[in-house]
Amino acid sequence: AQSVTQLGSHVSVSEGALVLLRCNYSSSVPPYLFWYVQYPNQGLQLLLKYTTGATLVKGINGFEAEFKKSETSFHLTKPSAHMSDAAEYFCAVSDKTGGFKTIFGAGTRLFVKA
Amino acid sequence: GAVVSQHPSRVICKSGTSVKIECRSLDFQATTMFWYRQFPKQSLMLMATSNEGSKATYEQGVEKDKFLINHASLTLSTLTVTSAHPEDSSFYICSATQGDQETQYFGPGTRLLVL
Repeated sequence: AQSVTQLGSHVSVSEGALVLLRCNYSSSVPPYLFWYVQYPNQGLQLLLKYTTGATLVKGINGFEAEFKKSETSFHLTKPSAHMSDAAEYFCAVSDKTGGFKTIFGAGTRLFVKA
Repeated sequence: GAVVSQHPSRVICKSGTSVKIECRSLDFQATTMFWYRQFPKQSLMLMATSNEGSKATYEQGVEKDKFLINHASLTLSTLTVTSAHPEDSSFYICSATQGDQETQYFGPGTRLLVL
């Protein structure tokens, strides 16, 4: 069975500071890993995904994440936070053998201080 | 591209009534659609997976007779909450995948409030 753990339900950073949102996963097969962002009362928007190949994945809005198999991690980073980055972020895992059924982490609320 | 819509965006109904939520893929054919519910300040919980022309596969603990899913075409799936009760109040989100693709495209969600 697959699972996702997001460390920290809330993260607060100052505008311009580094953003680091942590995600660890568990999967018995090669995983597909995703980061999504959700703004209040809206659906999810895909930030980036890892399937195969390069382990450092770049996404939209300056975000990137690195797949580290040895650490079973897929942490999300952004060098410089912007006020508009304040939102809920979800890490998720799926795999092809499971019909792409996706398991989501509990989410991390990012606050950005002026 | 890859836009998914949901209708309605918000619905308020009386306890005991049924509510239908539509999920449409606007510019692609969705071989698989997923239905999630999200309680306030919580993550998304998968309710069921539906494939066009076949019965939905429900997750453990989800009542299939209460949450009826119909995936009648490659662009439309519906979720009907039958005999809704206040505890069914939630944010319902659908997503769709295209062919043998791993990426899910999410709808904007439907806020259901049962009085």
